Order: sequence, then C-alpha cells, then structure tokens
Amino acid sequence: DTEVTQTPKHLVMGMTNKKSLKCEQHMGHRAMYWYKQKAKKPPELMFVYSYEKLSINESVPSRFSPECPNSSLLNLHLHALQPEDSALYLCASSREDRPYNEQFFGPGTRLTVL
Amino acid sequence: RKEVEQDPGPFNVPEGATVAFNCTYSNSASQSFFWYRQDCRKEPKLLMSVYSSGNEDGRFTAQLNRASQYISLLIRDSKLSDSATYLCVGTSGSARQLTFGSGTQLTVLP
Repeated sequence: DTEVTQTPKHLVMGMTNKKSLKCEQHMGHRAMYWYKQKAKKPPELMFVYSYEKLSINESVPSRFSPECPNSSLLNLHLHALQPEDSALYLCASSREDRPYNEQFFGPGTRLTVL
Repeated sequence: RKEVEQDPGPFNVPEGATVAFNCTYSNSASQSFFWYRQDCRKEPKLLMSVYSSGNEDGRFTAQLNRASQYISLLIRDSKLSDSATYLCVGTSGSARQLTFGSGTQLTVLP
C-alpha cells in the first residue's frame, strides 16, 4: 500500500494565525519530506527527515517549523505566514533517504494565506 | 543552467499516437532518475524509475543515456487519461533529494 495521507486538504489562514499540517504514512518508510509547490511550477524541497531526525533544511524561513513525532508522522507548524506562502504543501516518504529510493507523495494541503 | 531540463510543451496529440519526452541533466554525478505524472491540482504520482538498461511498463518505456546525459519517456497508443504533466526527476549531485524538471504538459485529444 503506497499511501501517504495529509490533513487538512484545504486551509485558509490569516497572517497572525498558527496552524499545523499533518502527514502520515504506514509503509514503514524512514525518510519523510515536505515540499512546497506553486501553480505551474515543480515541487520545491523544504525539509527532509531521516530516521526521525531533521537532515536537510533548504533555508526555509523560521515561520515554517517541521516536527517528526515518530516514524509515521510528520507535521509542519505554520506561524505568521505571508500571502506569498500560499501554495500546495506536499508530504512525501521513501524507504530511506537514499538516491535510488522512490518517493511517494501525499495528496497535499492547499494553503491560502490572507 | 537548470540541473534538469525539459521541454515544457504543451504536447497536443491525438488518441492512439506515440509521444516521446526528453529530459537532459547537467550533473554527471546524478545517480537515479524517475518519471512522475501530475494531474491538475493533484500530487505527483510515480510513473517509472529509469534504469540504465531501459525499462518498459505496458505502453510506457523509459531510457537513460548517461553518455549524453538525457532521459526519455515514450508513451505508445496514447489514451485520453494520459493527459497530465510529466515530471522528469533526478537526484542532485551530492545531496539525496530529488531535483525536478519543470514538467512537460501532455494533452491527448479525442
């Protein structure tokens, strides 16, 4: 079962709000990823977790805060976002953080910041 | 220069046609390559991993040419449901994360 789930599907928030995006996989994968995708652009990597430890942060602003509570869950905490942060936020997982391991994406959370 | 480059299209082809996408990569140290498809407002879905020997899955054939640093995807007998954006993806040099091409849009017409 190659399924990654994400909640919520849609989120509208103001610039002063605090919200969280959630991602879950039950494939036993030990690497999980957050991507941001703007319309008509490819996904851009934000964070990589490997064995529940943050291994890559692609110079993401601190208003985005990732958390990996356990090997199946990945959260992205949002605070004081800007309208330009509106995008599709995709979670992905792979067996391990290795170049030949395929990544499987969740359906994404479509975020609108007002 | 982008690490992974694709012709953005759009490619508009009739049902039943054969269509080929090419993708070039600049980093000769790139190790693995994949093709993903992405429908409008949906997530990327893995279509195929690309192996040096080439691989085939039904109507889809992927090939990797390391000497020329390009990857190809061939779709035979196109179906309406093949309409999507096709993303060429490679691993960047020393890092392990995926590097996406900008995507090629395909529309299969009835």
